[in-house]
Amino acid sequence: DAGVTQSPTHLIKTRGQQVTLRCSPKSGHDTVSWYQQALGQGPQFIFQYYEEEERQRGNFPDRFSGHQFPNYSSELNVNALLLGDSALYLCASSSGQKNSPLHFGNGTRLTVT
Amino acid sequence: AQSVTQPDIHITVSEGASLELRCNYSYGATPYLFWYVQSPGQGLQLLLKYFSGDTLVQGIKGFEAEFKRSQSSFNLRKPSVHWSDAAEYFCAVRWIGFQKLVFGTGTRLLVSP
Repeated sequence: DAGVTQSPTHLIKTRGQQVTLRCSPKSGHDTVSWYQQALGQGPQFIFQYYEEEERQRGNFPDRFSGHQFPNYSSELNVNALLLGDSALYLCASSSGQKNSPLHFGNGTRLTVT
Repeated sequence: AQSVTQPDIHITVSEGASLELRCNYSYGATPYLFWYVQSPGQGLQLLLKYFSGDTLVQGIKGFEAEFKRSQSSFNLRKPSVHWSDAAEYFCAVRWIGFQKLVFGTGTRLLVSP
C-alpha cells in the first residue's frame, strides 16, 4: 500500500520563477493538505483540498495556489518565487472520516536562488 | 491565538535512560493532540494521537503521552531510549472546527552512548 508520494524530491529555482509541486495521497484518502517547513521550524499550514475545492487556508499570500484533481491528487503552485520560499514542502493526506490523522509524504525540498 | 509550544529546542539523553518531551498549547476549544517524529530529510511519522477518553495514550515504538487538560499539556514519554530514537519530535494540535494542524517548533533529541 503506497503512502503519500511527492514529486520532485528536490528543486532549484530562481527568484521570480514559478514552481509546481505534486502530491498523490495515500490509497483511500480523499483530502490533501499542504504545509511549508522552513529550516529549523515546525510545518506551517498552507491550505487543504477536499472534493476539488480549497476547504481552508492558512496565512499565505495569493502567490500560493493549489488544485485537486478527480483522482484526489493535488498540486501546489507558487508564483513569483522569493528567497524566503525556500523550504521543505510537505503534503499530507487523510480520509473523510472524522478525526482521521494526517499521513505525510517525504516532502519536496525547494531552494530559491 | 492558536499556538503550540515546545520549550526544549534540544534534549540529550543517554541510551537506556527515560525521556520526557514537553508540549503546551493555547486556545480554549477542544483540542485533538498529536506527536510526530521526523528523521533528517524525511517527512513526518505519526507516533500517537489523542482525541478523547483515557488521557494516557500509547503509540508506536514504545512511546506514550498524557493529556492534562488543566495544564494544557500533552507530554511525550518513553521509559528507555534507543539510539534509533534520535530525531526531531513535533507536537501538533488541531482544534475542533478547524482543519489545520498547528505545530510546535520541534525538539531535537540526541542520544548519547
